[in-house]
Amino acid sequence: SQQGEEDPQALSIQEGENATMNCSYKTSINNLQWYRQNSGRGLVHLILIRSNEREKHSGRLRVTLDTSKKSSSLLITASRAADTASYFCATVIKAAGNKLTFGGGTRVLVKP
Amino acid sequence: GAVVSQHPSRVICKSGTSVKIECRSLDFQATTMFWYRQFPKQSLMLMATSNEGSKATYEQGVEKDKFLINHASLTLSTLTVTSAHPEDSSFYICSTGGGHLEETQYFGPGTRLLVL
Repeated sequence: SQQGEEDPQALSIQEGENATMNCSYKTSINNLQWYRQNSGRGLVHLILIRSNEREKHSGRLRVTLDTSKKSSSLLITASRAADTASYFCATVIKAAGNKLTFGGGTRVLVKP
Repeated sequence: GAVVSQHPSRVICKSGTSVKIECRSLDFQATTMFWYRQFPKQSLMLMATSNEGSKATYEQGVEKDKFLINHASLTLSTLTVTSAHPEDSSFYICSTGGGHLEETQYFGPGTRLLVL
């Protein structure tokens, strides 16, 4: 079963705008990871945030984690057409070993 | 990060035949690999964890006799879809890494299977 639910399911923005997507999960986690998937391709790891961290940055990406609300957000600033992809959050639960449990994903379309 | 390849990238087969998908870790000794299935516009669902030199661990609802996994070396895991049916048509993705809780996983490019 899916641990995470993502919101929105789809997002369409203009190049240069920011894109924000949210992920909620159900049980306590060890860490939460964000991945990107271009259409018909494998996944690329973007960023990992541990349960004791609240915010992380990587280039134009900003991830927040609120363990009290069991939610995370991914912000892509100054989006580019090349950012068009599906974005997935995935949680690691200590009791489940190192398995990733994915959310439903957000399909992002950045229009030039 | 680790480089993971999959072969074939896409395959079309007739119903009732078996299909083998290879997942190779090119620069990383992978004691553990993961196999996922992804239906169109849906998320990835973990099918099984492949362990080098031992039996795979299957997720609930995944038939181990239907989806045979072999992980005979530190660089190769194979998934065989036996007696494939149209409902098995999907995108199959493997990953490696994740050796401990805070390790990211590296994904292969995926194999698209179409069963006619």
